[in-house]
Amino acid sequence: ETGVTQTPRHLVMGMTNKKSLKCEQHLGHNAMYWYKQSAKKPLELMFVYNFKEQTENNSVPSRFSPECPNSSHLFLHLHTLQPEDSALYLCASSQGERQDEQFFGPGTRLTVL
Amino acid sequence: AQSVSQHNHHVILSEAASLELGCNYSYGGTVNLFWYVQYPGQHLQLLLKYFSGDPLVKGIKGFEAEFIKSKFSFNLRKPSVQWSDTAEYFCAVNTIGDYKLSFGAGTTVTVRA
Repeated sequence: ETGVTQTPRHLVMGMTNKKSLKCEQHLGHNAMYWYKQSAKKPLELMFVYNFKEQTENNSVPSRFSPECPNSSHLFLHLHTLQPEDSALYLCASSQGERQDEQFFGPGTRLTVL
Repeated sequence: AQSVSQHNHHVILSEAASLELGCNYSYGGTVNLFWYVQYPGQHLQLLLKYFSGDPLVKGIKGFEAEFIKSKFSFNLRKPSVQWSDTAEYFCAVNTIGDYKLSFGAGTTVTVRA
């Protein structure tokens, strides 16, 4: 256990559905991240939040919408996704200092039908 | 933006063999370097990191990595692998003052008993 939890662990959704992924960190960190992990491709950074403020949106389509209500919680709201969005979505957190190690959650395996 | 390349997609070796995984990055400035490991069904976790100082870094589980600035490389090594080292290994880089971690595509290591 890294102190970063994600729910659900698996999600199957249709292209017209709306769902949300949840991430919670119990480490007292100030920065949180969403990554997309597709098979045989490098992890892609999607969003960065530092002290609840979004500091990075890495050209992510608007069908992905992040929300960070406080430093411990991070959501990824999904709507009208495409089959190519199927992937493992990883949440991570770090203390906030830019050299800090990032701690990863177990991920949500998303399948879009 | 920096990019990270890992030379081997899949490495298969026997227990007690030595392991070396290559990692090269493309950025001319000062970097922080990381190796993460993902065991089957588990989350990404940090093996070791280099920020400054001794270019030979020792991590957990007997792993070490050497930063060679002139070659833009940060290769991971272990003198004698065990079956439990079967996992996917990711090299990652960020630059001073930047949260963003750039990951390589990963190397799958299979250790046969």
